[in-house]
Amino acid sequence: EPEVTQTPSHQVTQMGQEVILRCVPISNHLYFYWYRQILGQKVEFLVSFYNNEISEKSEIFDDQFSVERPDGSNFTLKIRSTKLEDSAMYFCASSPLGTQPQHFGDGTRLSIL
Amino acid sequence: GQQVMQIPQYQHVQEGEDFTTYCNSSTTLSNIQWYKQRPGGHPVFLIQLVKSGEVKKQKRLTFQFGEAKKNSSLHITATQTTDVGTYFCAATLNSGNTPLVFGKGTRLSVIA
Repeated sequence: EPEVTQTPSHQVTQMGQEVILRCVPISNHLYFYWYRQILGQKVEFLVSFYNNEISEKSEIFDDQFSVERPDGSNFTLKIRSTKLEDSAMYFCASSPLGTQPQHFGDGTRLSIL
Repeated sequence: GQQVMQIPQYQHVQEGEDFTTYCNSSTTLSNIQWYKQRPGGHPVFLIQLVKSGEVKKQKRLTFQFGEAKKNSSLHITATQTTDVGTYFCAATLNSGNTPLVFGKGTRLSVIA
């Protein structure tokens, strides 16, 4: 069964540094998403992406965040200047259409020191 | 922002007991999805409910969508240790391409 893949599985970064989290969505899916889950808390929506542009974003997704689809397969989340409170698990997800079930990757655990 | 309230936050049951988690919203929902997240894992899609009053079953799991499309429940009959994890409801508030709003989840522990 096709999967959403995310790399790296764990990223440790100094505060203030930039990080790029990578995702390869399922190949025939059209909608891509990033979510954040702080340890022990709920899954929080960050951004959705369709047709090479952001379709929705949450209040969490401020100017420090950006997303990109640099080629036909990768979908990246960049955090420009990381803060301690950015430490969380970041999940990428994709779906065939916007209202259909989303398939999640295994996540990247981001630790900011 | 829009909220989807989910209760209880935690549930500890003896193996073989039943378990139910509930989601509520003050807003009419376009559809509701349920996900399971095992400890250390990622959310895995279980089911989607779209119609008012809809009931769907998956083996020991029964999912309901309220008549007013403002609430939903997941019921597990005769829990097993493999049911351990956090169960999240996630709702789409409007039709079309709008993001999922997740509930806070119910963490289920099953004692053998």
